[in-house]
Amino acid sequence: QVQLVESGGGVVQPGTSLRLSCAASGFTFSSYGMHWVRQAPGKGLEWVALIWYDASNTYYADSVKGRFTISRDNSKNMLYLQMNSLRADDTALYYCAKTPVASNSYADFWGQGTLVTVSS
Amino acid sequence: DIQMTQSPSTLSASVGDRVTITCRASQSVSTWVAWYQQKPGKAPKLLIYMASSLESGVPSRFSGSGSETEFTLSISSLQPDDFGTYYCQQYVKHWTFGQGTKVEIK
Repeated sequence: QVQLVESGGGVVQPGTSLRLSCAASGFTFSSYGMHWVRQAPGKGLEWVALIWYDASNTYYADSVKGRFTISRDNSKNMLYLQMNSLRADDTALYYCAKTPVASNSYADFWGQGTLVTVSS
Repeated sequence: DIQMTQSPSTLSASVGDRVTITCRASQSVSTWVAWYQQKPGKAPKLLIYMASSLESGVPSRFSGSGSETEFTLSISSLQPDDFGTYYCQQYVKHWTFGQGTKVEIK
């Protein structure tokens, strides 16, 4: 069965960096687009970034453009989110999500999330 | 950027009631709309995609309709397990979510 397991969250100070990981299993990871989505405490869902199946295209929300980088290693079935210059408003639960196509579509599976807290 | 505006933000209904949630897009998104249910402490769960296609395993009391800029999610007969927050999403260009509708059972 499809599994997405995020890791790498934690408590960090403003201005620092963090790399999130998402381990995928139960499907042919290299065939599908993947997203990162975040949810601040008590708030709604906010899209963060998209990467196509072969990493040929990446897209970002304006709120993270220039600070965050989405990447993938299809040989390891891993998705990543490198987060630099973190700010307090980046505090959120970060989900990885799979699309049912190679590029962009809705999410048919989600991980359980990893919590990032940015605080001094 | 495409904005998605949901209404109402909260609703309280009784078991057996028909419930409708509306989502309006700031520009046409054709039928590239999905709906998700999220329960406290859990990841979102896909209910509807392509505006009206029911995801496998989702009860048939859930249905979606609409196109262009106006979309609705309906629950024909509200059940106790249907509490949670519902989000619409456009995926014609990246993703945008509505702000969510919290559904409470009276």
